[in-house]
Amino acid sequence: GDSVTQMEGPVTLSEEAFLTINCTYTATGYPSLFWYVQYPGEGLQLLLKATKADDKGSNKGFEATYRKETTSFHLEKGSVQVSDSAVYFCALSDWAKAAGNKLTFGGGTRVLVKP
Amino acid sequence: SAVISQKPSRDICQRGTSLTIQCQVDSQVTMMFWYRQQPGQSLTLIATANQGSEATYESGFVIDKFPISRPNLTFSTLTVSNMSPEDSSIYLCSVEVGARGSPLHFGNGTRLTVT
Repeated sequence: GDSVTQMEGPVTLSEEAFLTINCTYTATGYPSLFWYVQYPGEGLQLLLKATKADDKGSNKGFEATYRKETTSFHLEKGSVQVSDSAVYFCALSDWAKAAGNKLTFGGGTRVLVKP
Repeated sequence: SAVISQKPSRDICQRGTSLTIQCQVDSQVTMMFWYRQQPGQSLTLIATANQGSEATYESGFVIDKFPISRPNLTFSTLTVSNMSPEDSSIYLCSVEVGARGSPLHFGNGTRLTVT
């Protein structure tokens, strides 16, 4: 079945540091890929998405590129802020399947940015 | 986008009791989903709820334990029945807004603690 693997946290950074969170996936079809963010005490918010190979999703300074050859969707931000402290989830959905809108999530990566 | 409201936002319940969680959306949506996020874990899909039909449950989840209602296109409930401490989790409602293939949007979740 489909699966998503992302780097374990916590990741602790100083403000203005560069952030990378690795995400790799396995899927039998052609999935869409997502990054969701969960701020403390809140639900999940969609951060960015990519629907096909070589697409780059971007939002709020975060970027991720859909790499089919390496089955990866790594999240990056060039200069983090304290407000970026959250848990980040990589996820996929495979629209080639009947239940395509079912999301498969990675384990989540907690990021803590210190001033 | 859609505004998704969940009630209650949190609750502490005694084992053996049941809790019904409500999810209200400010627009009509075809598909609604219920996820569980156990402490420190990722999200797991419990079931898909479509209006006018029985909910579809994922492996490991059964209707007797997690009955779901979907009376109209803007509302759903999830009941956690005969609770035990292992049911302590965040329960999240999510919806697909827009055309098929659109990303899922999530409510803020219901944080349940069972004592």
